[in-house]
Amino acid sequence: QKEVEQDPGPLSVPEGAIVSLNCTYSNSAFQYFMWYRQYSRKGPELLMYTYSSGNKEDGRFTAQVDKSSKYISLFIRDSQPSDSATYLCAMSAVGSNYKLTFGKGTLLTVNP
Amino acid sequence: ETGVTQTPRHLVMGMTNKKSLKCEQHLGHNAMYWYKQSAKKPLELMFVYNFKEQTENNSVPSRFSPECPNSSHLFLHLHTLQPEDSALYLCASSQIGPQGPGNTIYFGEGSWLTVV
Repeated sequence: QKEVEQDPGPLSVPEGAIVSLNCTYSNSAFQYFMWYRQYSRKGPELLMYTYSSGNKEDGRFTAQVDKSSKYISLFIRDSQPSDSATYLCAMSAVGSNYKLTFGKGTLLTVNP
Repeated sequence: ETGVTQTPRHLVMGMTNKKSLKCEQHLGHNAMYWYKQSAKKPLELMFVYNFKEQTENNSVPSRFSPECPNSSHLFLHLHTLQPEDSALYLCASSQIGPQGPGNTIYFGEGSWLTVV
């Protein structure tokens, strides 16, 4: 079983839709969870950062962590064409802040 | 502008060539990284440098040779690569310290490498 599983998509939605992106993981030591956004031919940029379980909201983006299920989600409300990108989940254990384990990424296209 | 600058952005090299990728970070961080991103695979950590000292080498073949002369600069020297080494090579930096969003990893825009 891979440490982090992420459906690569592609996912195509109309503008204004609510998007749900997910990752599952197997390592119970993971405590820090991140979502990166990567535009085509660019490097990943940090979008959301959460610690342990719970929700975090930032504008149209909400990150959720359910450690009991080893499941994390990123929700995008009122999606825009500019949200079209690959979304990568990443996670790390306590004391290993430099060692991130990534999912494969989900390619999202928001159609005008 | 991410604060991590990589050059060149694109590189095509033959299997017998020697070339280098360069990275510079302007964020005042004390750790730098090389990652490899291939199609349909997760980002793979290659090397980690903390305060110029290599602390991680993830079983990377010796045809990849990193160099970190100071905390702001990182190189990846390439020699006798194979076509399967073609990928996006990402440099990143972070501040080693208490875990939190301020100490997470910031990526450059990457160097696209094609080995022919």
